[in-house]
Amino acid sequence: AQRVTQPEKLLSVFKGAPVELKCNYSYSGSPELFWYVQYSRQRLQLLLRHISRESIKGFTADLNKGETSFHLKKPFAQEEDSAMYYCALDYGNNRLAFGKGNQVVVIP
Amino acid sequence: NAGVTQTPKFQVLKTGQSMTLQCAQDMNHNSMYWYRQDPGMGLRLIYYSASEGTTDKGEVPNGYNVSRLNKREFSLRLESAAPSQTSVYFCASSEGTYLHFGNGTRLTVT
Repeated sequence: AQRVTQPEKLLSVFKGAPVELKCNYSYSGSPELFWYVQYSRQRLQLLLRHISRESIKGFTADLNKGETSFHLKKPFAQEEDSAMYYCALDYGNNRLAFGKGNQVVVIP
Repeated sequence: NAGVTQTPKFQVLKTGQSMTLQCAQDMNHNSMYWYRQDPGMGLRLIYYSASEGTTDKGEVPNGYNVSRLNKREFSLRLESAAPSQTSVYFCASSEGTYLHFGNGTRLTVT
């Protein structure tokens, strides 16, 4: 069965410091991975997906099939990055398996 | 453009009561989903509908039923609410590669 693991629940970083959120997955098929973000009092929204290989709000994520990972990185954290981040795996018909999420707090 | 709209936003039920959570999307998407979000558990898929007229179970369907009323609407029903169903419920829709979520319904069962 598919599984997404995000090991840290809470991550506190200082403004300007690098951020890395870890995501590992297990899936027998060809993986399609996403990062979703939920800012305070806003709906869950797509941050980025591995297929597009783009940088959104300074965040990047690279799919590493050998390590079955899709870690999210940003070199310099900003206060507006404080949010809940979820890694997700599409296991067919756009059904998503989510990790447990990371609460990121950026300290001014 | 409202996107995905869920009603109600908040609800308190007593054990054994029933209710229906409503969801509507105005993006003409074929697929719709119901997830529940619990602290420390992430989001888990309850039911989904790949197209109008079809519904399928997700990871945690027990205690729930769904209806895909038409292309726009996908409702979730709790026939006999239990405290274990206290959660935040999210509806989503998609046409392609990613999901659009509603604002959620916070349900408390006492």
